[in-house]
Amino acid sequence: AQKVTQAQTEISVVEKEDVTLDCVYETRDTTYYLFWYKQPPSGELVFLIRRNSFDEQNEISGRYSWNFQKSTSSFNFTITASQVVDSAVYFCALRSYSGAGSYQLTFGKGTKLSVIP
Amino acid sequence: NAGVTQTPKFQVLKTGQSMTLQCAQDMNHNSMYWYRQDPGMGLRLIYYSASEGTTDKGEVPNGYNVSRLNKREFSLRLESAAPSQTSVYFCASSELGFGANVLTFGAGSRLTVL
Repeated sequence: AQKVTQAQTEISVVEKEDVTLDCVYETRDTTYYLFWYKQPPSGELVFLIRRNSFDEQNEISGRYSWNFQKSTSSFNFTITASQVVDSAVYFCALRSYSGAGSYQLTFGKGTKLSVIP
Repeated sequence: NAGVTQTPKFQVLKTGQSMTLQCAQDMNHNSMYWYRQDPGMGLRLIYYSASEGTTDKGEVPNGYNVSRLNKREFSLRLESAAPSQTSVYFCASSELGFGANVLTFGAGSRLTVL
């Protein structure tokens, strides 16, 4: 069965601090995709990144970086020099094969990040 | 702006009432989805439509029905609302199923059942 665990329910940091959001996944699939979505206070979910299981290169986009490690089944998200606008709920998601020709997208329960000015 | 549009944004119902949440996308996507979001539960899939003319149950389909009216529109119906269906509902779409494609979400519909 597919499972995504975001153990950190809520995190608070002071502006300009770095923060890492953890994501651990379980799947028997050898080919899968991992995603991060952001849900700001306005409520809409915004896509941040997609990663396939064959690409373990870390990725950096501005202040955001992602560390994908298959050995530990983790896909962690780091925000450097956090800003108040980073305050949001962040969801990690796993897309993998669920059998009988079907795929599914499983979301973690989310981590609420509060950046304090 | 291109995207996914959901209506209504807010709705209050009494137990036993029925209502339909509407969703439309203008990105020519083939697949559409309905999720519900509850505190501490993340997003859970209610129903999805891989392509026009098909619908399938997700993780939590009980108490809901869906209609893929055409390629653009995918509605979610509550026939007899229950307090357990109080939630925020999100519609989403993607080019083609649960592939590597990114889901584009609507702004959400907050439903309260009294």
